[in-house]
Amino acid sequence: SAVISQKPSRDICQRGTSLTIQCQVDSQVTMMFWYRQQPGQSLTLIATANQGSEATYESGFVIDKFPISRPNLTFSTLTVSNMSPEDSSIYLCSAGGGNQPQHFGDGTRLSIL
Amino acid sequence: QKEVEQDPGPLSVPEGAIVSLNCTYSNSAFQYFMWYRQYSRKGPELLMYTYSSGNKEDGRFTAQVDKSSKYISLFIRDSQPSDSATYLCAMWGGGAGSYQLTFGKGTKLSVIP
Repeated sequence: SAVISQKPSRDICQRGTSLTIQCQVDSQVTMMFWYRQQPGQSLTLIATANQGSEATYESGFVIDKFPISRPNLTFSTLTVSNMSPEDSSIYLCSAGGGNQPQHFGDGTRLSIL
Repeated sequence: QKEVEQDPGPLSVPEGAIVSLNCTYSNSAFQYFMWYRQYSRKGPELLMYTYSSGNKEDGRFTAQVDKSSKYISLFIRDSQPSDSATYLCAMWGGGAGSYQLTFGKGTKLSVIP
């Protein structure tokens, strides 16, 4: 199964700033995904990142707030823009999809002051 | 009614007990069923991945899917303190174009030595 590394593992940011989270997979994968998980809650899909095309966003999430890049088959970034305290959460990257199960990184714990 | 229902617990059992974790769902289109284990401050780790109805066994873990009842289970035999974690069920319809997983809220399990 794919091994997924996320950076940074945690950060504390000021209101109004932006943070880019990196996700690296140890093998080529077609699909990568970005999720948000509030403490003690389940996972909510933000968007699906496809190589060579625009990311597909779920309802309630927009590209201006969460721009995503997918430059190749092993790497993706998620930017959380113009952050507010409501953006404090755990952001998770996963890879797989289709007939292959999704595997997750350990997440980025983000706190906004 | 939520698409996937999972009792959040917490569930506390003595070491060596058999643990039964369950999810019910309403969408009959779901065909792929997963169980993830999530330790504190870690990402979800895939435990079991099954397609359609039936049983799947892997060591101390057994996953059961009953599509007629829209009910899935994860059994843990001879539970160990290291099994203490949150267990998330997830499912997917299998159709092309969308690979979004639908997650349960997770059940927090504590195995007491």
